[in-house]
Amino acid sequence: SQTIHQWPATLVQPVGSPLSLECTVEGTSNPNLYWYRQAAGRGLQLLFYSVGIGQISSEVPQNLSASRPQDRQFILSSKKLLLSDSGFYLCAWRPKTGIGEKLFFGSGTQLSVL
Amino acid sequence: AQTVTQSQPEMSVQEAETVTLSCTYDTSESDYYLFWYKQPPSRQMILVIRQEAYKQQNATENRFSVNFQKAAKSFSLKISDSQLGDAAMYFCAYRSGSGGSNYKLTFGKGTLLTVNP
Repeated sequence: SQTIHQWPATLVQPVGSPLSLECTVEGTSNPNLYWYRQAAGRGLQLLFYSVGIGQISSEVPQNLSASRPQDRQFILSSKKLLLSDSGFYLCAWRPKTGIGEKLFFGSGTQLSVL
Repeated sequence: AQTVTQSQPEMSVQEAETVTLSCTYDTSESDYYLFWYKQPPSRQMILVIRQEAYKQQNATENRFSVNFQKAAKSFSLKISDSQLGDAAMYFCAYRSGSGGSNYKLTFGKGTLLTVNP
């Protein structure tokens, strides 16, 4: 069966520090991968998605970047965090076949930038 | 651009009773998908139910069912025989049918459901 791992679960970082959040998927190959952010009291906002190694699409301009160095690894990064980067970050994947397929979410990372 | 509106920030229900969560959306597309996601205190996002816009029949999943009114652009979630484990934030979400690899879900702001014993 497929599983998705996301870490760390919580992170407290000072403003201006770098960020690296990692997500890996097991039990499948060539998945579509996604990074979402959930601000307090709001729904999820799509930040990045990837359809393959090295292929990254950005949905919103921001202080963050994403990379996919391996087929089942998706990394969210920042060189210098801003206060506004605080939020709950969710990684997700879905198989390529079948439009409308459900999205599988990781357990999330709560990022607090102080 | 598509928008999703959940007009009820909070709802409560007695255990074993039925509750309906409201959702309306705005789109000019004819092909799309609608979802209800549940986010319990663990914050894991869990798909509750999915509806394809081209299907007239309302989706059901055990105690969960939807009332999909395409013309009115309404997509409400009914939870029957509510259980304590149903307490969570519920999000309504929209996805374009032409989205391709860009699985862009547009979410509402959520409804916090409390289940009283």
